[in-house]
Amino acid sequence: AQTVTQSQPEMSVQEAETVTLSCTYDTSESDYYLFWYKQPPSRQMILVIRQEAYKQQNATENRFSVNFQKAAKSFSLKISDSQLGDAAMYFCAYFRDYQLIWGAGTKLIIKP
Amino acid sequence: SQTIHQWPATLVQPVGSPLSLECTVEGTSNPNLYWYRQAAGRGLQLLFYSVGIGQISSEVPQNLSASRPQDRQFILSSKKLLLSDSGFYLCAWSAGYYNEQFFGPGTRLTVL
Repeated sequence: AQTVTQSQPEMSVQEAETVTLSCTYDTSESDYYLFWYKQPPSRQMILVIRQEAYKQQNATENRFSVNFQKAAKSFSLKISDSQLGDAAMYFCAYFRDYQLIWGAGTKLIIKP
Repeated sequence: SQTIHQWPATLVQPVGSPLSLECTVEGTSNPNLYWYRQAAGRGLQLLFYSVGIGQISSEVPQNLSASRPQDRQFILSSKKLLLSDSGFYLCAWSAGYYNEQFFGPGTRLTVL
């Protein structure tokens, strides 16, 4: 069975600095998708970035980028130039077929 | 553009009472629809998903049920609520199996 592990329950970063959130997953499949979602205090779940496993190039979305290491089954999220609005829970998710398998989340705190 | 609505936003119900949560999607046709539950400080648990009208798949045995009476309407129900049904319920849609899921604003349910 697929599992997703986020080993950092909480991370903090100074405003304008860079932070990396870790995610590892376990699967025997070769074709799948990985996502990072953000959940601010409003609890609305917002898609941050998506990575297709067949693509070697790491996905980027403005200040957000991933380091996808397929052999190591690692999918970390890097946030550059952190802003106060980035404070939220961040969830890593593995997707195959119809189902998203979610990690437990990392709470990101931004220090002004 | 597509939007997803959920209501009510907040609900407090006594144990043993019925439940009906509604989710509707605008701006797309034949979406895949999903119901998730999120316990406090935890990741998401998939409850039900639907690939079409009247087609419901259940992931977790429980006293909840789901229905899809119209293409863009998804309803979560219970005949008798339990204390353990308390949580944050999120509805989501996707354009297909391999597309990212987009979430509604959620319903916070408290069973007393």
